[in-house]
Amino acid sequence: SQKIEQNSEALNIQEGKTATLTCNYTNYSPAYLQWYRQDPGRGPVFLLLIRENEKEKRKERLKVTFDTTLKQSLFHITASQPADSATYLCALAPWGANNLFFGTGTRLTVIP
Amino acid sequence: ETGVTQTPRHLVMGMTNKKSLKCEQHLGHNAMYWYKQSAKKPLELMFVYSLEERVENNSVPSRFSPECPNSSHLFLHLHTLQPEDSALYLCASSPSAGRANEQYFGPGTRLTVT
Repeated sequence: SQKIEQNSEALNIQEGKTATLTCNYTNYSPAYLQWYRQDPGRGPVFLLLIRENEKEKRKERLKVTFDTTLKQSLFHITASQPADSATYLCALAPWGANNLFFGTGTRLTVIP
Repeated sequence: ETGVTQTPRHLVMGMTNKKSLKCEQHLGHNAMYWYKQSAKKPLELMFVYSLEERVENNSVPSRFSPECPNSSHLFLHLHTLQPEDSALYLCASSPSAGRANEQYFGPGTRLTVT
């Protein structure tokens, strides 16, 4: 069956450290992979998109990697801040579909 | 967040009521989506509209009825709901319905069915 798993439901990290979130998938052939941020009581906000032929993408303190052999994406936030505390969702856009398929998310808490 | 608005933000309804959720996007996008978000579950795609035409209906029960009168507005009509339909209902839009597009979400409607 198809699955998208995000490493843990919750992750706590000290301010200033690098947070690393994992997204693993099974039985998908993603053309694109996206990461979103969701704050309580709000809709998800788009952060980054990476294509299957790209290894890495950066935006300010954010970095995403995409390894189609390992079937995994890593999402890094460097120099983390308490304001980075939120739930982070990965989403796959497979070949042969026009839809996004979401993981359940990882709730990140950055401790001052 | 002001690019996609949803009303109401909260709704409590009985199982025999009929109500509607409204979504409006101010981004000039051509595709709009309805998602359901339940606790501990991934976002579930319900419907996709592209240029006011429904292009995806993800095996959603008929008690949920979407309507897209133009590319800026999307409705979800609700009737005879069940308690398990209680969830956060999110509307989203994107420039087109293709998989390469990022989606812009509204704040959601928190629905409680009693």
